[in-house]
Amino acid sequence: GDSVTQMEGPVTLSEEAFLTINCTYTATGYPSLFWYVQYPGEGLQLLLKATKADDKGSNKGFEATYRKETTSFHLEKGSVQVSDSAVYFCALSAFASGGSYIPTFGRGTSLIVHP
Amino acid sequence: DSGVTQTPKHLITATGQRVTLRCSPRSGDLSVYWYQQSLDQGLQFLIQYYNGEERAKGNILERFSAQQFPDLHSELNLSSLELGDSALYFCASSATSGETDTQYFGPGTRLTVL
Repeated sequence: GDSVTQMEGPVTLSEEAFLTINCTYTATGYPSLFWYVQYPGEGLQLLLKATKADDKGSNKGFEATYRKETTSFHLEKGSVQVSDSAVYFCALSAFASGGSYIPTFGRGTSLIVHP
Repeated sequence: DSGVTQTPKHLITATGQRVTLRCSPRSGDLSVYWYQQSLDQGLQFLIQYYNGEERAKGNILERFSAQQFPDLHSELNLSSLELGDSALYFCASSATSGETDTQYFGPGTRLTVL
């Protein structure tokens, strides 16, 4: 079945450091790819998405590029802030039988940013 | 605020009992998704409804069932509860059921089974 693998956390950085959170996926066909963020005590919210190969999703200084050849969708940010501390989930949406799309999430990567 | 509401926020019950979790999607959204989030399993997709009909099924146990009503709110029923069912249950909604749809998550219901 489809799967998403994220790097284990927590990732601990100082403010203004460069962030990379790795995400690789396994899926049949060409899924859409997403990054969601979960702040403490809240539900997930979409951070960015990419729907086809070589697409770059970006939002709030975060970026990720859909790499079909390496089946990856790594999340990057040039300069993190304390307010970026949260759990980040990589996810895919892939076609399943009956015309439906099944969402699959990675286990999440906790990011802690120190002042 | 995502516009998705879930009730109750917290639920504490005993093994063997049955509970119902409720979700109201964002205004205009036709799809509702249910997820279970636990420390050992991560975020697991359970089931999706679209405009009142079941659209996709994930890792949902036979003891669990869901439905979506004509006003588009949804309920997740969990029965014969076990300790391992303790988790955070999220509902999400999206406009349609397409592959690229953004899902909007509610704040979750924390279920504790004692």
